[in-house]
Amino acid sequence: GAVVSQHPSRVICKSGTSVKIECRSLDFQATTMFWYRQFPKQSLMLMATSNEGSKATYEQGVEKDKFLINHASLTLSTLTVTSAHPEDSSFYICSASLAGGADTQYFGPGTRLTVL
Amino acid sequence: GQNIDQPTEMTATEGAIVQINCTYQTSGFNGLFWYQQHAGEAPTFLSYNVLDGLEEKGRFSSFLSRSKGYSYLLLKELQMKDSASYLCAVSKAAGNKLTFGGGTRVLVKP
Repeated sequence: GAVVSQHPSRVICKSGTSVKIECRSLDFQATTMFWYRQFPKQSLMLMATSNEGSKATYEQGVEKDKFLINHASLTLSTLTVTSAHPEDSSFYICSASLAGGADTQYFGPGTRLTVL
Repeated sequence: GQNIDQPTEMTATEGAIVQINCTYQTSGFNGLFWYQQHAGEAPTFLSYNVLDGLEEKGRFSSFLSRSKGYSYLLLKELQMKDSASYLCAVSKAAGNKLTFGGGTRVLVKP
């Protein structure tokens, strides 16, 4: 149980284009989903918290107009990187949890984004 | 803010025991998680501590002392496949957000 999928696993795009990453909870309904970014040999940095049916809450320093998050259902959240630039190249990982307490977060397999 | 410190790297021999320490400073503490992450993969859940004491799960155990802001992950009977990064993460009561430490890379040698 508690499987989270992400699609695509890898994406290469040209500078200036937009990329959408999907995060799905496959066998449970996720009240909350989280988006992280991880640069090589660094730890995970939380970008935003996404609750179904409401606007995402972004961490300080994360541009909400550049990283668009939509949480349309209890099993799907999407992250769109708009007008991507090479410095946006990173490993993007989503996680999902059942409830708003200190419930365990289950992570998706991650999406490796490379912007040329 | 939150400060979470853990060693950068540790090396141990197959079959041995390794203890990874994590110290933290936070307000509104709501639990501490340990995750394992292999290179290029997402983290996988290992343990969760919210009360003081030791939680044992097979070869892995995790300890928490809230008064000292201290936790450790103990890996016993090390196997080659245990070579990975181990991430300590603290949960805050507001919003269930996790803040991760920098991770400890464990290298298991034959």
